[in-house]
Parts: sequence; C-alpha cells; structure tokens
Amino acid sequence: QSVLTQPPSASGTPGQRVTISCSGSNSNMGNNYIYWYQQLPGTAPKLLMYRNNQRPSGVPARFSGSKSGTSASLAISGLRSEDEADYYCAAWDDNLSAWVFGGGTKVTVL
Amino acid sequence: QVQLQQWGAGLLKPSETLSLSCAVSGGPFSGYYWTWIRQSPGKGLEWIGEIDHTGSTNYSPSLKSRVTISVDTSNNHFSLKLTSVTAADTAVYYCARGDRINVVRGVQYVYIHDAFDIWGQGTMVTVSS
Repeated sequence: QSVLTQPPSASGTPGQRVTISCSGSNSNMGNNYIYWYQQLPGTAPKLLMYRNNQRPSGVPARFSGSKSGTSASLAISGLRSEDEADYYCAAWDDNLSAWVFGGGTKVTVL
Repeated sequence: QVQLQQWGAGLLKPSETLSLSCAVSGGPFSGYYWTWIRQSPGKGLEWIGEIDHTGSTNYSPSLKSRVTISVDTSNNHFSLKLTSVTAADTAVYYCARGDRINVVRGVQYVYIHDAFDIWGQGTMVTVSS
C-alpha cells in the first residue's frame, strides 16, 4: 500500500488529454512539493515534473502539473504513442523523514 | 554531463547481504543527496535511503534496521548494504542523485529535498535459494 494514491491505469487515443491524479496527506503533499517521474518500459525512471509544475529541460510542454492542498495532478495534452509509460508521483514526508511514492499509473495509448 | 554507474552482485541467497555501489562522474559530489531506490518486479518505486557528502543519512523506516548507506568522497562513489535478504528484496535497485534547494520556512532559510534528477541504469538483484 503506497503512501501516495494514484489510479493504476489511464488511457486515451492519440491527441486526447489524459490526467493522472495523486493524493496524499498534510505531512507529505500538504507541506512539500510534488514530483512526477516517467518510466518507459525497461528503463530507469526519468524526472518529468518538479516542484509541482516545473518542467525540466527537454520535457515537452504537453506535460503539465498542478497541486492543491493534498492533491496533485499530471496532465498530458495531445497524447502521443511515445507517452505510453508508467508515471509516478513522489513527495518528501515530514513525519517519516522519507520520500514516499505513489503506486504508479500505467498510461496506455489506444 | 553527470552520470551514475552502478554495480554489484545480482544473485543472492536468503540471509546474505546485498552490496551495491554507484560511481558519480561528470559533476560535483557535495551538495546532493545520494539515494537508493528499488522496484520489485511489476511493482512501484520504493525509496531505500540517502546519504550526503558529509555522511549524514536518512533511511526508510521499513528498512532502517537492515540498511547501511556509506560514501567514499575520495572516489566519488556511494554504496548500499542490505542485510538478511529474503525473496521480498528481489528488485531492480537504482542509485539516483537527489537535489536540494534553499527555501524560506517561517523566518529562516532551510534546505529541503528536491528532485531525483539523475538516475543510474539499475541493477537487478534476485534473492533465491
């Protein structure tokens, strides 16, 4: 059971908008930034979004992030086949003094 | 650019000690949290722990009794030891660089944890008798 809660799956057709949610508690998402990682099949995770809504260099603008209180979301606009991957949210938890992750959401492009 | 290269034994028997290392190249060693994260087959990511260049550590509460992370600043690498492994420890183990940022909390500046921006290639560790 992950500390952060994500839906196990999401899907859309090419060009559609897909949104992935992540919910936590005051000790993690309420007090701290949320981060998103993309893991393509068979590869190491890659930073996709940092500090709630900041995109690292090289991440397309189709990806956007938001956070409100203890909930956050990652949106993929103009879905493309190469977006098919697992997506994880993460936050530092002040009570645990540890990083916590969501269980991951598998995005399928239909 | 900064790269993390990890290595270590991939097959262990129950009760043995897992030992992995990760070398940092192409960038500074100080000012970051050097981190271990694992992923059991078909499962999500699990943070194991971290160390900074001074040797200060944080460990996952669920693994704390079995984990030791150490650092060798002269060679820019850090290591993970996990004792008394069982089949439940079978996973891909990743090393990663955790950034940190200075923010205002209340009336003072504090360092907080930031993104895992660089990852190693991963090492599959299987525990089997």
